[in-house]
Amino acid sequence: QSALTQPASVSGSLGQSITISCTGTGSDVGAYNYVSWYQQHPGKVPKLMIYNVSNRPSGVSNRFSGSKSGNTASLTISGLQAEDEAYYFCSSYSITSTLVVFGGGTKLTVL
Amino acid sequence: QITLKESGPTLVKPTQTLTLTCTVSGFSLSTSGEAVAWIRQPPGKALEWLALIYWDDDKRYSASLKTRLTITKDTSKNQVVLTMTNMDPTDTATYYCAHRPLAAAGYYFDYWGQGTLVTVSS
Repeated sequence: QSALTQPASVSGSLGQSITISCTGTGSDVGAYNYVSWYQQHPGKVPKLMIYNVSNRPSGVSNRFSGSKSGNTASLTISGLQAEDEAYYFCSSYSITSTLVVFGGGTKLTVL
Repeated sequence: QITLKESGPTLVKPTQTLTLTCTVSGFSLSTSGEAVAWIRQPPGKALEWLALIYWDDDKRYSASLKTRLTITKDTSKNQVVLTMTNMDPTDTATYYCAHRPLAAAGYYFDYWGQGTLVTVSS
């Protein structure tokens, strides 16, 4: 069982927006603004999409945005495109001895 | 350009020790602020962080696996090595090494190796 809780699946139509939640505790998500998000297409390597809650690495579309409130972080994808269909994993720094924790992953289906 | 590449056995028997090597390029493991992590993913399941080593040889481990893991680095060879003892079929997974951005605030990974699938079976 993963430390962070994500919905198993979300779906949205082309051009619409979706939000994926990631719920942790005061020892991880709520402790610092150190939440990141990864996109993973089947059989591929995870790709960093958001770091430190809301920052986008160079080259990542501005359709991807992140936010956080309390112990829950969120990833929003606007203007859904077919290539956005993938799994998304959240991750957070943890103040426990396990430095980094991940969510269970969310499968995004673009209708 | 930063690259990482994992190597090691694809099949290990239960109770054996797994040794994986991550060969890096595009940065130096001795540069202040650098860090490399190991992360695994069982087939069809979530990512799991295992261990991380800093440029100064400081090390961190997953609390649940700490007794079984050892992470080391060989700066001269640009390699980070992970050993995991007492392998079990539940350890079957793709094992990735990943780069933490230089002097990053927080813990996230911008470059990943291609991953290596390790199957534990007799």
